[in-house]
Amino acid sequence: AQKVTQAQTEISVVEKEDVTLDCVYETRDTTYYLFWYKQPPSGELVFLIRRNSFDEQNEISGRYSWNFQKSTSSFNFTITASQVVDSAVYFCALSEANYGQNFVFGPGTRLSVLP
Amino acid sequence: EPEVTQTPSHQVTQMGQEVILRCVPISNHLYFYWYRQILGQKVEFLVSFYNNEISEKSEIFDDQFSVERPDGSNFTLKIRSTKLEDSAMYFCASRAGPSPSYGYTFGSGTRLTVV
Repeated sequence: AQKVTQAQTEISVVEKEDVTLDCVYETRDTTYYLFWYKQPPSGELVFLIRRNSFDEQNEISGRYSWNFQKSTSSFNFTITASQVVDSAVYFCALSEANYGQNFVFGPGTRLSVLP
Repeated sequence: EPEVTQTPSHQVTQMGQEVILRCVPISNHLYFYWYRQILGQKVEFLVSFYNNEISEKSEIFDDQFSVERPDGSNFTLKIRSTKLEDSAMYFCASRAGPSPSYGYTFGSGTRLTVV
């Protein structure tokens, strides 16, 4: 069965601090995709990244970086030099290629960046 | 950039009433989805739709729910007799191809409030 765990329910940091959001997943599939979404207070889901199971290279996009480790089934997300505008709920999600193709979302981590 | 459009953005309805949530997926996409997010909780899969039929549904998607693609552009979710616990944000999503590698595009959601 597929499952996504985000153990951190809420995190508060002060602006300019670095913060890492954890994501651990379970899957029965050998081919799968991992995603991160940001949900600001306005409620929409903002796509941040998609990663397939064959690509373990870490990715950096501006202040955002992602660390994918198959050995620990983790796909962690780091925000460097956090800003108040980063305050949101962040969801990690998993989609299997061969067992239905819908998303399974994690419970989300609420990040508050204080000025 | 192409968007998935959902209308209305917010709907208030009385318990027991029927409600139809509307979505216009991206025009060349073939796979359509509805997800639900109860306030403060994670995003949950409801149903997927391809080739004019339901391809997968969750246990949440019971007989009071139905989906339709009435005219080749709209994709609707109908809730036959709304209950208080149907209050949630409903997200529509679409995808061009069968694999998650095609990427999902989510709409900005319809917030349904049942009173």
